[in-house]
Amino acid sequence: EAGVTQFPSHSVIEKGQTVTLRCDPISGHDNLYWYRRVMGKEIKFLLHFVKESKQDESGMPNNRFLAERTGGTYSTLKVQPAELEDSGVYFCASSQVFEKNLGGYTFGSGTRLTVV
Amino acid sequence: AQSVTQLGSHVSVSEGALVLLRCNYSSSVPPYLFWYVQYPNQGLQLLLKYTTGATLVKGINGFEAEFKKSETSFHLTKPSAHMSDAAEYFCAVSGAGGADGLTFGKGTHLIIQP
Repeated sequence: EAGVTQFPSHSVIEKGQTVTLRCDPISGHDNLYWYRRVMGKEIKFLLHFVKESKQDESGMPNNRFLAERTGGTYSTLKVQPAELEDSGVYFCASSQVFEKNLGGYTFGSGTRLTVV
Repeated sequence: AQSVTQLGSHVSVSEGALVLLRCNYSSSVPPYLFWYVQYPNQGLQLLLKYTTGATLVKGINGFEAEFKKSETSFHLTKPSAHMSDAAEYFCAVSGAGGADGLTFGKGTHLIIQP
């Protein structure tokens, strides 16, 4: 089966611009997660979708970040306007419902975002 | 609240030597514990996981880890390092019974010396 796909793989934008990251989960995976790793820090949870609904968005840094998952398929994460501290690698993961807490998460390769 | 501490941001071992990557956690609920590996320009790949049952868990590529509740540890080991093991390794914890999201450690770069 195809894995979790993220694009772009790299994005360089100027401070104040808008960037949209996309994640295509494994087909049939209801759970979709976004994580972020800022350089030198740990990977941090951002939010969790179950189908199209936000189950937990407690990790979203601020209201400049907007995540959507229309139709319960792919998800987008928009940063508007981007700030320097938003630079990092954004990971997406997906899982089937019954594996949600059994480590059945499959991660994408990540999007490396650089804000200059 | 949960947290994960990985001792050593970089660990260097000789090829053929024992690999030991340390992970300690804190969790207010029975934890599920994971080790992930990230090779350059790739995503996170699950090495192994502990959910319930046997505390010694075997994973892919010859790695294993032992859950020690009394020590709140989940150290990763491999008897003999290969050059291909060079990567960054992450320990993570999630709460059992419905907790969402993983809490990760800061990662450990494993360097293999020829």
